[in-house]
Amino acid sequence: IAGITQAPTSQILAAGRRMTLRCTQDMRHNAMYWYRQDLGLGLRLIHYSNTAGTTGKGEVPDGYSVSRANTDDFPLTLASAVPSQTSVYFCASSVLQGENTQYFGPGTRLTVL
Amino acid sequence: GESVGLHLPTLSVQEGDNSIINCAYSNSASDYFIWYKQESGKGPQFIIDIRSNMDKRQGQRVTVLLNKTVKHLSLQIAATQPGDSAVYFCAETASGGSYIPTFGRGTSLIVHP
Repeated sequence: IAGITQAPTSQILAAGRRMTLRCTQDMRHNAMYWYRQDLGLGLRLIHYSNTAGTTGKGEVPDGYSVSRANTDDFPLTLASAVPSQTSVYFCASSVLQGENTQYFGPGTRLTVL
Repeated sequence: GESVGLHLPTLSVQEGDNSIINCAYSNSASDYFIWYKQESGKGPQFIIDIRSNMDKRQGQRVTVLLNKTVKHLSLQIAATQPGDSAVYFCAETASGGSYIPTFGRGTSLIVHP
């Protein structure tokens, strides 16, 4: 069982380009989340999904979009990347929203030039 | 606004010593708390959790203490080992709210051999 996988591991991207970060879980968890982690700011929630077919905005959703077509996949798209989106991105999942423990992927390090 | 306040200090200890990492939270509605460990270059990993109907919970070499009166959470690591070196985050969730956890900024633990 792999848990949560993210791709790519790292990416350097020119400003203005479109980029999709992939996240897949094989635990059949209902809820999935995208966070960004910046030095000194901890983990900030971008978007989340409580179940397939539904999504919600987190603390810092601007410039990002997500979709949840099925239980396993939760891609994060940057429609037109900007340098301020340089960060490490973590995907996470949990059995149920809230109470249950979140399981995190290994992260994607994104640099926007 | 209400938030988990975990200043980002660095705690340096000698191998074999006990470590205590603290976390203050301000949301009185929070009723579920988790400690995560994040090693360099990896995603956060669950360590231990505690619900608000408990004051203390023990795991293997780790103990979490919850003081609801002063809204304080601590993680105690017994006989700290070099492999414990990481950033530790606390997270809080209010089950009556959005169920989205709020993370503190983290404490860096450095264990000297």
